[in-house]
Amino acid sequence: QQQVKQSPQSLIVQKGGISIINCAYENTAFDYFPWYQQFPGKGPALLIAIRPDVSEKKEGRFTISFNKSAKQFSLHIMDSQPGDSATYFCAASRRSTLGRLYFGRGTQLTVWP
Amino acid sequence: NAGVTQTPKFRILKIGQSMTLQCAQDMNHNYMYWYRQDPGMGLKLIYYSVGAGITDKGEVPNGYNVSRSTTEDFPLRLELAAPSQTSVYFCASSPTRTSGGDNEQFFGPGTRLTVL
Repeated sequence: QQQVKQSPQSLIVQKGGISIINCAYENTAFDYFPWYQQFPGKGPALLIAIRPDVSEKKEGRFTISFNKSAKQFSLHIMDSQPGDSATYFCAASRRSTLGRLYFGRGTQLTVWP
Repeated sequence: NAGVTQTPKFRILKIGQSMTLQCAQDMNHNYMYWYRQDPGMGLKLIYYSVGAGITDKGEVPNGYNVSRSTTEDFPLRLELAAPSQTSVYFCASSPTRTSGGDNEQFFGPGTRLTVL
């Protein structure tokens, strides 16, 4: 079954707006939660990641919010730009699985001017 | 560093044909992975390797085989190609995860495979 559930499947946001993508997981053994960004025709690339000992991590316009008790985490993109248009994947892994990542199904973000 | 390289970029196969997707990395990473990406389905792990000579199955290994004779190379073999194997294939690598450390995976540009 899907270890990490991601929503929405697609998202359209106006330039300057806030994009929010949500993920949920069941396995409490997960201890690393990255977000990957993928542009058309390219491989995914790490955008930002968080560990469960913090509730928020911010890098520029990108923020991960993490709710351990609810087993949810989300990506917020502030001041969204057309260049942010891409597919975003959340993922999770646990220490015992030697780096193996479990990916969500992805969110296709379109930022229109 | 070239990072993770994959060849070919595109390939069309007929049902029943075989082929090998090549993957190489020059970052001296121990861990390597093969994923397939289908529209709306995310990335599914096919096989992975934690070092030369060591491989293991992922979520969707049927119809595929791998080998890892060197740290740098991790080829994926398709035997008896089927239309269900039409997909985009990504190879990735990562360094050994240290205690408390993160585990970034570095992806190649992908191979788009069509089986007709």
